[in-house]
Amino acid sequence: EVQLVESGGALVQPGGSLRLSCAASGLSFSSYGMSWVRQAPGKGPEWVSSISGSGGMTHQSDSVKGRFTISRDNSKNTVYLQMNSLRVEDTALYFCAKAPYEDSHFYMDVWGTGTTVTVSS
Amino acid sequence: EIVMTQSPATVSVSPGEGATLSCRASQNINNNLAWYQQKPGQAPRLLIFGASSRATGIPAGFSGSGSGTEFSLTISSLQSEDFAVYYCQQYEEWPPSFGGGTKVAIK
Repeated sequence: EVQLVESGGALVQPGGSLRLSCAASGLSFSSYGMSWVRQAPGKGPEWVSSISGSGGMTHQSDSVKGRFTISRDNSKNTVYLQMNSLRVEDTALYFCAKAPYEDSHFYMDVWGTGTTVTVSS
Repeated sequence: EIVMTQSPATVSVSPGEGATLSCRASQNINNNLAWYQQKPGQAPRLLIFGASSRATGIPAGFSGSGSGTEFSLTISSLQSEDFAVYYCQQYEEWPPSFGGGTKVAIK
């Protein structure tokens, strides 16, 4: 069974940084693209960033471009989201999600349970 | 960016009845559409991909249809566990985008 477990969420002040991690198990990790999707309280999901299985291709939403960086360590079966210059509007539950193929540009067939990021002074 | 619009925002249905949810794309997305179910406190769960293919383990009571810009998700006979929020998502173009959701509530 594929499992994704996120960690790293916290309360942080505006302008601060956090690194989220997502540990995957039960799959050939490097064979699948991965994404981060966030959901603000009471809102729908919002795609944040994606990375291909090899790590050679990444995409970010305009709302986080230049502030967030996605990366992965296939030797550790882990994908990361480095979040800098955090804003109040980045407050959300952050999900890690798996693509069905090496290319991350698809739907998301497995999701983690999420980690909460709160940006507040 | 492709905008996804779902309707209605909320639908109230009695257990055992069916429901049809709609999703419209602002431009042609072919059949690159997925549907997810989300219950309170849980992550979204993939139901449908490719507009009409059921994901692994999804009951036959869930069916998707449509192509181009108009799509629908039909739940044939609502069980207690089906009351949730449903989202559509396009993956035709970057960035992938989600609809605002339809809440299926108990009548």
